Amino acid sequence: DADVTQTPRNRITKTGKRIMLECSQTKGHDRMYWYRQDPGLGLRLIYYSFDVKDINKGEISDGYSVSRQAQAKFSLSLESAIPNQTALYFCATSDTSGAGDEQFFGPGTRLTVL
Amino acid sequence: GEDVEQSLFLSVREGDSSVINCTYTDSSSTYLYWYKQEPGAGLQLLTYIFSNMDMKQDQRLTVLLNKKDKHLSLRIADTQTGDSAIYFCAERFSASKIIFGSGTRLSIRP
Repeated sequence: DADVTQTPRNRITKTGKRIMLECSQTKGHDRMYWYRQDPGLGLRLIYYSFDVKDINKGEISDGYSVSRQAQAKFSLSLESAIPNQTALYFCATSDTSGAGDEQFFGPGTRLTVL
Repeated sequence: GEDVEQSLFLSVREGDSSVINCTYTDSSSTYLYWYKQEPGAGLQLLTYIFSNMDMKQDQRLTVLLNKKDKHLSLRIADTQTGDSAIYFCAERFSASKIIFGSGTRLSIRP
């Protein structure tokens, strides 16, 4: 079974709709992250959480919110989706003891906003 | 600000060596990474190098870091069809600040 899972894998929605993307991990890591990937660009950090009670904005948090429901779960919400939020979204986890501080990525959610 | 740049495409013949290049602007990072992304999958860490090292070798992979020129490269020896993927270089400044390049798509010719 995958260590970092994301649901849904694909989603098409309309402008103005509320969308939630979910991430679960079985790695036992404290740290979780949400990134978005756009064609021809690298990943950009949206939000991150170092613990259940810790939430921090990343580089591009406007239009997004997150919830860390438990150590293993970190969800990303788009309160009112807009077309320029069409992208590939990745969840990642890490802990402080990993070699090279490696982040482990989920398979991604492809979101299309019409 | 920090910036990491890569060429978008590379095509090599099966069995040849692939060299993927990356340049960066801010040399205060702690690690530099190479990630591999296969179709439909997330990024997977391929290898990393401490910013105070010059070279790291790991089986078919060789990472070279030229700090003077702010240049990072990944050499894949004996390139196979399974190496087809997008390769991202990235600089780590902190757990919450990793700057990714735009990725190089490696394709393998028979």
